Amino acid sequence: AQSVSQHNHHVILSEAASLELGCNYSYGGTVNLFWYVQYPGQHLQLLLKYFSGDPLVKGIKGFEAEFIKSKFSFNLRKPSVQWSDTAEYFCAVTPRGNYQLIWGAGTKLIIKP
Amino acid sequence: EAGVAQSPRYKIIEKRQSVAFWCNPISGHATLYWYQQILGQGPKLLIQFQNNGVVDDSQLPKDRFSAERLKGVDSTLKIQPAKLEDSAVYLCASSLAGVGETQYFGPGTRLLVL
Repeated sequence: AQSVSQHNHHVILSEAASLELGCNYSYGGTVNLFWYVQYPGQHLQLLLKYFSGDPLVKGIKGFEAEFIKSKFSFNLRKPSVQWSDTAEYFCAVTPRGNYQLIWGAGTKLIIKP
Repeated sequence: EAGVAQSPRYKIIEKRQSVAFWCNPISGHATLYWYQQILGQGPKLLIQFQNNGVVDDSQLPKDRFSAERLKGVDSTLKIQPAKLEDSAVYLCASSLAGVGETQYFGPGTRLLVL
């Protein structure tokens, strides 16, 4: 069965530290890839997505993600985090032509001021 | 632009009782999704509608869960009878079309079954 793995359930960083959250998926074909974020008390919202083209995708609030097809990965990065980045981050994948979005379990990110 | 609306925001019921959740998607969005999110897990798709037709309900426990989207706009999700393991957040999302489109989420309904 297709699955999405997010390696870290909890990450704690200090402000200005660099961030990388891992995401790996198990599907051999073409995929669409997403990162969603849920800030405390708010709805899930799209951070960035990759469908095709440049594998380095830039999203909102200074986030970016790199699609590495050979590693089945779509890691999320930010060079310098802020306290306001405290949130839960979800990676999600949909095989091309499939309707269903397959979600990772999420990573809770806490930024210490 | 108004977002996805859901009600109620919180619900506490006893096991074996029934409960219903309501969702109003973003105007013009053809696709509507219901997800179940158990604490510590990612959302799990329960059912997906395209207009008022069901696209995918493979993970909907049909012996107790039902959903409808009459007229292709609002939707209701019902659980009858509820079990303890149904305690979760029920999320509604909508998108313009289906495959690969960005999904916009509502605030969710937090259900506690005692």
